Amino acid sequence: QKEVEQDPGPLSVPEGAIVSLNCTYSNSAFQYFMWYRQYSRKGPELLMYTYSSGNKEDGRFTAQVDKSSKYISLFIRDSQPSDSATYLCAMSVAVSSGSARQLTFGSGTQLTVLP
Amino acid sequence: DAGVIQSPRHEVTEMGQEVTLRCKPISGHNSLFWYRQTMMRGLELLIYFNNNVPIDDSGMPEDRFSAKMPNASFSTLKIQPSEPRDSAVYFCASSPRLRGVTAEAFFGQGTRLTVV
Repeated sequence: QKEVEQDPGPLSVPEGAIVSLNCTYSNSAFQYFMWYRQYSRKGPELLMYTYSSGNKEDGRFTAQVDKSSKYISLFIRDSQPSDSATYLCAMSVAVSSGSARQLTFGSGTQLTVLP
Repeated sequence: DAGVIQSPRHEVTEMGQEVTLRCKPISGHNSLFWYRQTMMRGLELLIYFNNNVPIDDSGMPEDRFSAKMPNASFSTLKIQPSEPRDSAVYFCASSPRLRGVTAEAFFGQGTRLTVV
């Protein structure tokens, strides 16, 4: 079993729809949760960052973490064709200041927003 | 800043040949990561360096893979000899010194390797 599970999709939605992307994980030591967006033939770029449980909102994007269920979500409101990309969840354990944080990635969900 | 720079962007080589991938991290970043991405396995961490020192290479698949970071502005990932199953997109990422809870990893554009 992988440490991080993510439905690969593909997921197609009409423009303006609310999109829900999800990941589950098995390592209870994970404390930092991230969502990366990867456009075709590009490197991943950080979209959202959350520490421990709770919600975080940034514009049309909301990240949720439920550590009790080991479940994280990314919601995209008013989705746009420019949101079409692969979304990867990533997680890491706590490390001491000055150390590097190793990320464990989900396999990514391919999203297409149709105009 | 130009971001993380990788070269070459594309590499096609014959089985058995040596392949060297190059990475220039963002200036001032003290951590560097090499990842491999395939459809089957997703994004896998191969090795990471902290202050130019290899910290964890447990993700390196075989002895055919080696990585070096001779200075803070350059790293290489070498595959010798290459095999068709090494075909993948290889990403380099760098991050600044960890302070508090934030330490974003910035990825390069990747090197698409095809071994025939």
